[in-house]
Amino acid sequence: DVKVTQSSRYLVKRTGEKVFLECVQDMDHENMFWYRQDPGLGLRLIYFSYDVKMKEKGDIPEGYSVSREKKERFSLILESASTNQTSMYLCASSRPRGEQYFGPGTRLTVT
Amino acid sequence: SQQGEEDPQALSIQEGENATMNCSYKTSINNLQWYRQNSGRGLVHLILIRSNEREKHSGRLRVTLDTSKKSSSLLITASRAADTASYFCATDAGGNTGGFKTIFGAGTRLFVKA
Repeated sequence: DVKVTQSSRYLVKRTGEKVFLECVQDMDHENMFWYRQDPGLGLRLIYFSYDVKMKEKGDIPEGYSVSREKKERFSLILESASTNQTSMYLCASSRPRGEQYFGPGTRLTVT
Repeated sequence: SQQGEEDPQALSIQEGENATMNCSYKTSINNLQWYRQNSGRGLVHLILIRSNEREKHSGRLRVTLDTSKKSSSLLITASRAADTASYFCATDAGGNTGGFKTIFGAGTRLFVKA
C-alpha cells in the first residue's frame, strides 16, 4: 500500500517563526511536490523536485524554500511565517508524468 | 497560473442521477488526470487519460478528452451520497529545468443528496 506521510496534521505557529513541514514517501518516486490549498483557489504549486537535491519553483514560491537531501523526503520551510501563509499544505509524489499520491495534508495556522 | 479550469464550480444532484464535470485547459498536454478530494483530506487519483486517447472508463467513471477543444469531461453514473467531494482535473506541463509538474484547476464541488 503506497504511502505519503506528512509530519503534522495541524500546526499553530507565531508570526516570524521558522516552520518546517516534512513529507516522506515510500514508493521510490522521483518527483515530489508541495502545494498549498486555499478556498476558491484550488491547489497552487509552491515547489517541486524531480530528483535528489534538484528543485524547481512553482507558481507561488515566495516566502518558502525546500530541501531534498534524500529521495524519500521533501521538506518545505517557511523562513519567517506570516499570517498570509495560513493554509492547508499538501505534499505529493509521483513517477515522472505519472499519477500523484498525496499525503493527508497539514493545516497550518499562523497567528 | 492555472492550466485546467473546471466547470461548474459546484453541482448538487440527487442520489442515482449522473454527474458531469468539465475541464478546459490552455496548452498542449501529455496527459490529463482527474482527482477527488474529500473534505479536509488529501487528493486521491481517479483516472489518467493520455493525449492520444479519447475515452476511458473506470467503474462508474467515464472520462472523455477532446484535444482539439482542449477540454475533458468526467461523468459519474448512478451517483451515491459517498461521491460527495471536490473533483479536480490536472494537466502536466514542462518545468523550466527539465522536470514536469502537474497543474490543478480550482475544482468542482459535488454534493449528492440522499
